[in-house]
Amino acid sequence: GDSVTQMEGPVTLSEEAFLTINCTYTATGYPSLFWYVQYPGEGLQLLLKATKADDKGSNKGFEATYRKETTSFHLEKGSVQVSDSAVYFCALRVLTGGGNKLTFGTGTQLKVEL
Amino acid sequence: EAGVVQSPRYKIIEKKQPVAFWCNPISGHNTLYWYRQNLGQGPELLIRYENEEAVDDSQLPKDRFSAERLKGVDSTLKIQPAELGDSAVYLCASSSGQTGNEKLFFGSGTQLSVL
Repeated sequence: GDSVTQMEGPVTLSEEAFLTINCTYTATGYPSLFWYVQYPGEGLQLLLKATKADDKGSNKGFEATYRKETTSFHLEKGSVQVSDSAVYFCALRVLTGGGNKLTFGTGTQLKVEL
Repeated sequence: EAGVVQSPRYKIIEKKQPVAFWCNPISGHNTLYWYRQNLGQGPELLIRYENEEAVDDSQLPKDRFSAERLKGVDSTLKIQPAELGDSAVYLCASSSGQTGNEKLFFGSGTQLSVL
């Protein structure tokens, strides 16, 4: 079945440090890939997405490139801020007539300190 | 524009008691989802509605869980009786359209603790 594997957290960084959160996937078809973010006390929000190989999703300084050859979708940001502290979820969707069903990873908690 | 609204925010019950969660999706969104998120895990789909119809309930434990979406707007998810292992955050999400490419909007969730 479809699955997503993320690096375990928590990840603790100093402000302005470079961020990488690894994500790899297994899927039977050709998935779309997503990163969702969950700020404390809030619901999940779509951060970025990529729908085909070599696509790059970007938003709020975050980027992730759909790498089919390595089945990866690593999240990166060049300079993190305290306000980026949240839990980040990698997810995939394969359209097989089942509609908009997302398969999530376990989440990676990011803590950014001054 | 209001987002997806869920209530209650927190619920504490004893095992074997019934519990219900309520979700009001974004206005005009015909697709509604219920997810369960166990501690330290990602959300897992329980049921998906297209308007009033449950089109994917394969992951819903039907012996104790039930859901309804009367009139294709609000939805309730019920557990009866609750078990200790049901402690989790129950998330509701909604989206527009039926192609499967639409963005999902999530509510803040209901955190259930079964004692």
